Amino acid sequence: SAVISQKPSRDICQRGTSLTIQCQVDSQVTMMFWYRQQPGQSLTLIATANQGSEATYESGFVIDKFPISRPNLTFSTLTVSNMSPEDSSIYLCSVVVGQATQYFGPGTRLLVL
Amino acid sequence: SQQGEEDPQALSIQEGENATMNCSYKTSINNLQWYRQNSGRGLVHLILIRSNEREKHSGRLRVTLDTSKKSSSLLITASRAADTASYFCATADFNKFYFGSGTKLNVKP
Repeated sequence: SAVISQKPSRDICQRGTSLTIQCQVDSQVTMMFWYRQQPGQSLTLIATANQGSEATYESGFVIDKFPISRPNLTFSTLTVSNMSPEDSSIYLCSVVVGQATQYFGPGTRLLVL
Repeated sequence: SQQGEEDPQALSIQEGENATMNCSYKTSINNLQWYRQNSGRGLVHLILIRSNEREKHSGRLRVTLDTSKKSSSLLITASRAADTASYFCATADFNKFYFGSGTKLNVKP
């Protein structure tokens, strides 16, 4: 298993600003992902955070809007840039441990005014 | 999109009753997983079923998988108020995971 923490747990931001979300894992993991969950919706994969190389983004998500860092195997950050109210969501990081089970962080609730 | 659909979208039952949720997906998979989410918090993994398995049990959970119909079901037996949550299926295609739309389960005491 893996224990994942995220910072901040929640934030209220003004439009046009940026927020960086941190994800810390208690063990080294290869696969780390960032998801967005808009209110009342399911999870949408934003990108796979690759250690030592650029993140792999899903269709509809771009690096300029959601830059991701993965400096080592236990840590990653996701930045939500130039925010608008449409970016109000829960942002979750997850890791895969073992065969295929994902473990999720507690999420970061973002409200953009 | 590979994201699946789940039905029902919402389910309300009495404590002690069984709850059944269904998930359909679109492409071939390596495995299918079910997760629970309480009140917008992080997801908790419940059970994984591989593409070559048809049924799996874990405690009060029973999962079936029909790859010919690209569908899965999650049965929670003898439900409890603490089972109130949103339930999501997720399909894994190699290193990518896609989540269904979710079922909101309300178990009334």
